Amino acid sequence: QKEVEQDPGPLSVPEGAIVSLNCTYSNSAFQYFMWYRQYSRKGPELLMYTYSSGNKEDGRFTAQVDKSSKYISLFIRDSQPSDSATYLCASSTDSWGKFQFGAGTQVVVTP
Amino acid sequence: AAGVIQSPRHLIKEKRETATLKCYPIPRHDTVYWYQQGPGQDPQFLISFYEKMQSDKGSIPDRFSAQQFSDYHSELNMSSLELGDSALYFCAIPGQGAGGELFFGEGSRLTVL
Repeated sequence: QKEVEQDPGPLSVPEGAIVSLNCTYSNSAFQYFMWYRQYSRKGPELLMYTYSSGNKEDGRFTAQVDKSSKYISLFIRDSQPSDSATYLCASSTDSWGKFQFGAGTQVVVTP
Repeated sequence: AAGVIQSPRHLIKEKRETATLKCYPIPRHDTVYWYQQGPGQDPQFLISFYEKMQSDKGSIPDRFSAQQFSDYHSELNMSSLELGDSALYFCAIPGQGAGGELFFGEGSRLTVL
């Protein structure tokens, strides 16, 4: 069983809607949590990075980590067609450690 | 901003051949990670280096080896290639901040025929 679970989707939303993505993890030692966006045949692009529990906001993106329930979320407000991509969550036990990735959720934002 | 240059971007090999992928962190960085992403799969950690020494090892086959050189570029060597080795191979470096961020290169796409 993967240490980080993520629904592969696809998740289809109309333009302007809120995209809600989430992952669950099993390793309680995870402390660093990332969200990456990956376009087809491209490298993962770091979107959000959080340490331990809490919320973090950056523009249209909000990341939440609830360590008590081992739940990671990413919200994208005012979604655009250019947000159509695969979104990967990733976790690590320390700042210099290897990352465990979720399977990635494919998001399609329709005009 | 930190970045990673990978070469070649695309590589086609036959079964049982050898391939070498290269990674150039910009600016130079003492830490590098290699990941493999199969078709429709999430990235899987292969191996990492810190100050030219192997720091961690993941699901890297024995047919693969890697090295970080004195100029901090890194190479992933793959021998006796198999069809299942067809994947995107990413090199990644940590961010310059407090830690935790990982920045990926554009990847090298290996196709084994």
